[in-house]
Amino acid sequence: NAGVMQNPRHLVRRRGQEARLRCSPVKGHSHVYWYRQLPEEGLKFMVYLQKENIIDESGMPKERFSAEFPKEGPSILRIQQVVRGDSAAYFCASSPQDGRWAETQYFGPGTRLLVL
Amino acid sequence: AQTVTQSQPEMSVQEAETVTLSCTYDTSESNYYLFWYKQPPSRQMILVIRQEAYKQQNATENRFSVNFQKAAKSFSLKISDSQLGDTAMYFCAFISTGTASKLTFGTGTRLQVTL
Repeated sequence: NAGVMQNPRHLVRRRGQEARLRCSPVKGHSHVYWYRQLPEEGLKFMVYLQKENIIDESGMPKERFSAEFPKEGPSILRIQQVVRGDSAAYFCASSPQDGRWAETQYFGPGTRLLVL
Repeated sequence: AQTVTQSQPEMSVQEAETVTLSCTYDTSESNYYLFWYKQPPSRQMILVIRQEAYKQQNATENRFSVNFQKAAKSFSLKISDSQLGDTAMYFCAFISTGTASKLTFGTGTRLQVTL
């Protein structure tokens, strides 16, 4: 079984450009989470999505950041007009819809965003 | 709000020895799960072990085991027979069963396994 896939693995953007990060969950998982890890820090929750719905976006900045998980295709985290402070590793995780391991989140390899 | 505290920023252990990483948490929830994740230099987040709060028995996974003290809100990770490949950042994490949404992570402990 393929795990969580994220692409690109590395992304370089200049200030003011848009960054688009993609995440394909584990096959059969319908819950997707995005986390951000700043250098030398732990992971911080950003947003939780199910297919076509945002369930919890309490950790996502109100401006410039958006996320979606369409009926077909990967989940997308979009950062508009990037600034240097957006430089970080962005991790996607997925979990199964229900069952004994529903609360366990499986992480992708992350996307390292560098804003010049 | 839940908080997770890892008070050991760095630790070192010799190969084949045993090391214990500490984690405490604060919550008003009664049903929750606790996790240890490993982040090696590749920076991939790898699940090491998980513990259901309603279970008194400590979880074990091969060389990894936990000491879960619910009343003290403590969740330490013991690594036995340490191997060079265990060198990594280790993060303790919490999730409540009610929301089943966000994991709350500690700040991590950097473990170095030496020869």
